[in-house]
Amino acid sequence: AQKVTQAQTEISVVEKEDVTLDCVYETRDTTYYLFWYKQPPSGELVFLIRRNSFDEQNEISGRYSWNFQKSTSSFNFTITASQVVDSAVYFCALSEADSWGKLQFGAGTQVVVTP
Amino acid sequence: NAGVTQTPKFRILKIGQSMTLQCTQDMNHNYMYWYRQDPGMGLKLIYYSVGAGITDKGEVPNGYNVSRSTTEDFPLRLELAAPSQTSVYFCASRGRQDYNYGYTFGSGTRLTVV
Repeated sequence: AQKVTQAQTEISVVEKEDVTLDCVYETRDTTYYLFWYKQPPSGELVFLIRRNSFDEQNEISGRYSWNFQKSTSSFNFTITASQVVDSAVYFCALSEADSWGKLQFGAGTQVVVTP
Repeated sequence: NAGVTQTPKFRILKIGQSMTLQCTQDMNHNYMYWYRQDPGMGLKLIYYSVGAGITDKGEVPNGYNVSRSTTEDFPLRLELAAPSQTSVYFCASRGRQDYNYGYTFGSGTRLTVV
């Protein structure tokens, strides 16, 4: 069975600080996909990134970066130089290749960025 | 460019009432999903469909029913609403081979059962 754990319930930072969100997953499949979504206060889900299990290359997109480590089953997300607009709930999710695309979400981490 | 459209956006139901949450997508996606999000929690899968006429249960299907008569529509039916069904409901879709950009989510339906 697949499982996603986001141990951090809430993280509060002051603007311009860096913040790292942890995501640990469990799966028996060798092929799987990992995702991060952002849910701002308005409530919609915003796709941030997808990573394949066979691609451990880290990725950077502007102020966002992701560190995928299969050895520790982790897919952590860092926001550099945080801004107030980064205040949101962030979800990590997992989909196994043979699961018809079903997503297993973590409980989410609330990020609060204060000026 | 409508994507996934959910209606209604908000609804208040009384205990025991029934309703249908509508979900329509215009991207010809085979896969569609219904999730619920309880306060402070992640999304949990209620039902999913891999094509017209094919549906299956997710993690939390009790109290719900679905149908998929067309590729575009995937309505979620609540029979005998209970307070435990107070939640935000999200519909999502995805093309069969489309892992590249994740899933397209609707904007959600906020349901309160009183």
